[in-house]
Amino acid sequence: EVQLVQSGAEVKKPGESLKISCQGSGYSFANYWIGWVRQMPGKGLECIGIIYPGDSDTRYSPSFQGQVTISADKSISTAYLQWSSLKASDTAMYYCARHPGGTGVWFDPWGQGTLVTVSS
Amino acid sequence: EIVMTQSPVTLSVSPGERATLSCRASQSVSSNLAWYQQKPGQAPRLLIYGASTRATGIPARFSGSGSGTEFTLTISSLQSEDFAVYYCQQYNNWPPLTFGGGTKVEIK
Repeated sequence: EVQLVQSGAEVKKPGESLKISCQGSGYSFANYWIGWVRQMPGKGLECIGIIYPGDSDTRYSPSFQGQVTISADKSISTAYLQWSSLKASDTAMYYCARHPGGTGVWFDPWGQGTLVTVSS
Repeated sequence: EIVMTQSPVTLSVSPGERATLSCRASQSVSSNLAWYQQKPGQAPRLLIYGASTRATGIPARFSGSGSGTEFTLTISSLQSEDFAVYYCQQYNNWPPLTFGGGTKVEIK
């Protein structure tokens, strides 16, 4: 069974750094794109960016470029999303999700989500 | 950036009835469109990709249609477990991959 398991909820202060993770299992992690999606409280879905763990090819959505860093370590089947200086507006649920293959990028399955709360 | 617009924002339907959800793209996305279902407190789940191909394990009462800029998700006979928020997502031009704002299907 293909599974993505994300790290646990985080509570941080503005200005702090953070790295959350997403570990894949049940498939060849290096060979499938992984995406990160933000969902702010009570709002819709926004794609942050995607990474191909095999060669770390990363594509960011323009509105998130420079705000976050996506990385992956294929040796431990884990993708990461990190911030160097959090803001209150980064408070959201963050999902990772795998593209199952084929032309284009859609997501299946999704991780369970990591809730990030940034508050002073 | 391609903007995806979903309508209506909220759809009130009785169990057993048909639900029709719409998704419009600001420019053609060909058939490069996916639909997701999200229940409260859960991650989204893929329903449809390629505008009309059901994902593995998705019941046949879910169907997708359309191409270009106009798309429809139809739930032929709503079951209690289908009350949720539904999102469309285009993947024709990316980055960025873009989602619609969602349609909430609620019990009438």
